[in-house]
Amino acid sequence: QQQVKQSPQSLIVQKGGISIINCAYENTAFDYFPWYQQFPGKGPALLIAIRPDVSEKKEGRFTISFNKSAKQFSLHIMDSQPGDSATYFCAASRDTDKLIFGTGTRLQVFP
Amino acid sequence: DTEVTQTPKHLVMGMTNKKSLKCEQHMGHRAMYWYKQKAKKPPELMFVYSYEKLSINESVPSRFSPECPNSSLLNLHLHALQPEDSALYLCASSQGRQNAYEQYFGPGTRLTVT
Repeated sequence: QQQVKQSPQSLIVQKGGISIINCAYENTAFDYFPWYQQFPGKGPALLIAIRPDVSEKKEGRFTISFNKSAKQFSLHIMDSQPGDSATYFCAASRDTDKLIFGTGTRLQVFP
Repeated sequence: DTEVTQTPKHLVMGMTNKKSLKCEQHMGHRAMYWYKQKAKKPPELMFVYSYEKLSINESVPSRFSPECPNSSLLNLHLHALQPEDSALYLCASSQGRQNAYEQYFGPGTRLTVT
């Protein structure tokens, strides 16, 4: 119940394309769903986060779509750029509880 | 200043050594975390400190010993480690445990145990 499932494991997208990463969870007590971006040799950095009472949140080229009934959420990266090449982790948390990370998606954007 | 700093960047230690990892933040955050990350895996939570008190220990072996000397500093003392402990050790902080979703991570210490 504490797991967050993430797919795909890796993703190759051409520059200018849309990158889509999907996550699913079981625990309906989760109340925050953040996405973290990690470049090689760096720690993860918070990219964008959403609460379950919101169906979509957009920040620049990054959009989270949230489907509460399906217990799924996804990250869309519009106009993907080579600089977006990184590993992306979805996550879930509940109040004062810990972050539960998904397994990660390695995104490569080719020019 | 939204930076979490970690020292050293790299550490190579033998199985009988004692070493320490250090983490510092000056954001006034009251929750601090240690994670272990293996290659191509997500960070794995080890310890959580809230207001300088240990609040979560994820059943980590006693060869890892955390310490929070003050609200800005977090140490991880290492002793008699095994080769399988080689990993990237990440420190993170958040405003409080209620903001656990919004953590600021340091760059990590790359640990190799020989």
